[in-house]
Amino acid sequence: NAGVTQTPKFRVLKTGQSMTLLCAQDMNHEYMYWYRQDPGMGLRLIHYSVGEGTTAKGEVPDGYNVSRLKKQNFLLGLESAAPSQTSVYFCASSYNGGNTEAFFGQGTRLTVV
Amino acid sequence: GEDVEQSLFLSVREGDSSVINCTYTDSSSTYLYWYKQEPGAGLQLLTYIFSNMDMKQDQRLTVLLNKKDKHLSLRIADTQTGDSAIYFCAESGRLTGGGNKLTFGTGTQLKVEL
Repeated sequence: NAGVTQTPKFRVLKTGQSMTLLCAQDMNHEYMYWYRQDPGMGLRLIHYSVGEGTTAKGEVPDGYNVSRLKKQNFLLGLESAAPSQTSVYFCASSYNGGNTEAFFGQGTRLTVV
Repeated sequence: GEDVEQSLFLSVREGDSSVINCTYTDSSSTYLYWYKQEPGAGLQLLTYIFSNMDMKQDQRLTVLLNKKDKHLSLRIADTQTGDSAIYFCAESGRLTGGGNKLTFGTGTQLKVEL
């Protein structure tokens, strides 16, 4: 049982390049989330999904897009990377989005130069 | 909106107790959580408390909740070097699209010294 798996683990991008971060969960969870973690700021919610085929904006959605074509996968896209998007990105999932435990992936460290 | 605040650093000696404090703003939060993040890893749920409780104890961990002051604390008894990590307080809040989201504090870096 792998839990929540993120790929890649590390990436360096040039300003203006695009990339997709993949999150996969094998727990049949309905809810999935993308957070970014920056020093001294905790984790901030970028986008989330309450089920297959649905997505919604979180606190800091600008510059990102997401898709949830399959229940087990939640993709985060950066169309034109900017240095301000240098961060550690975490994907999480939970069973029903209620007050249940959220399971986190190991994180993707992204540097935009 | 929701806001969760924590101090950034705490240093304790091995064997002492650690107390990590947190204040939050959303009085409607049903659950409050403590997550632990070890270096290079994701967050793992450490413990949580339901908002109608004042205290919860789980082995070396004690969570205290003062709902009137919106203050949450995590006490780790007999702190060990393996407890060195970043500890995040989080409160649950409603998402406009349904379900709940977690609002995290900035995290408290706990350093355990020999």
